[in-house]
Amino acid sequence: GESVGLHLPTLSVQEGDNSIINCAYSNSASDYFIWYKQESGKGPQFIIDIRSNMDKRQGQRVTVLLNKTVKHLSLQIAATQPGDSAVYFCAEILNTGFQKLVFGTGTRLLVSP
Amino acid sequence: EPEVTQTPSHQVTQMGQEVILRCVPISNHLYFYWYRQILGQKVEFLVSFYNNEISEKSEIFDDQFSVERPDGSNFTLKIRSTKLEDSAMYFCASRRDRQGEQYFGPGTRLTVT
Repeated sequence: GESVGLHLPTLSVQEGDNSIINCAYSNSASDYFIWYKQESGKGPQFIIDIRSNMDKRQGQRVTVLLNKTVKHLSLQIAATQPGDSAVYFCAEILNTGFQKLVFGTGTRLLVSP
Repeated sequence: EPEVTQTPSHQVTQMGQEVILRCVPISNHLYFYWYRQILGQKVEFLVSFYNNEISEKSEIFDDQFSVERPDGSNFTLKIRSTKLEDSAMYFCASRRDRQGEQYFGPGTRLTVT
């Protein structure tokens, strides 16, 4: 079935630390994964994506790692800032149909100064 | 930068009433979506829309729900007879092409009393 879940509901870090947010997915047919950031009262905002033919992708201060063997996805945020405080969702897409997003439960990242 | 807009930001309605939630997707986008998020829970797919017809819908999207693109800019979600459990944030999203990123609007908070 469709199931995307997160290991840690809340992650608290100090400003300047590196943060790692994890996600497990269950559908081995998923071929595209996205991390979204959601700030309070706002819609999900795209952070970074990765296709199943890759195992790592880097953006500005963010890195996504994909381990298809254990169906695990992680988001690494370097030098975390207070503005990074938000709920982070992973989402997966099957390469079929019109590519609806299947979201995970979400992890709240709290960054203290 | 183009963005998806949604109105109203907050809608309060009584159980059994009809509501229409409005979205203006990004102008050159072709794929449209509605998602909902019950407070504290994950974002759930409702429906996708392409070429003036529903392309996929979830189990949540029952006969009480309908979508329409009445003109070249608006994309609406109608709930015919609201229930208490319809209370949620409703997000509209759009995408330019089949492989592109989905852009989310800020959401409409629907409260059914």
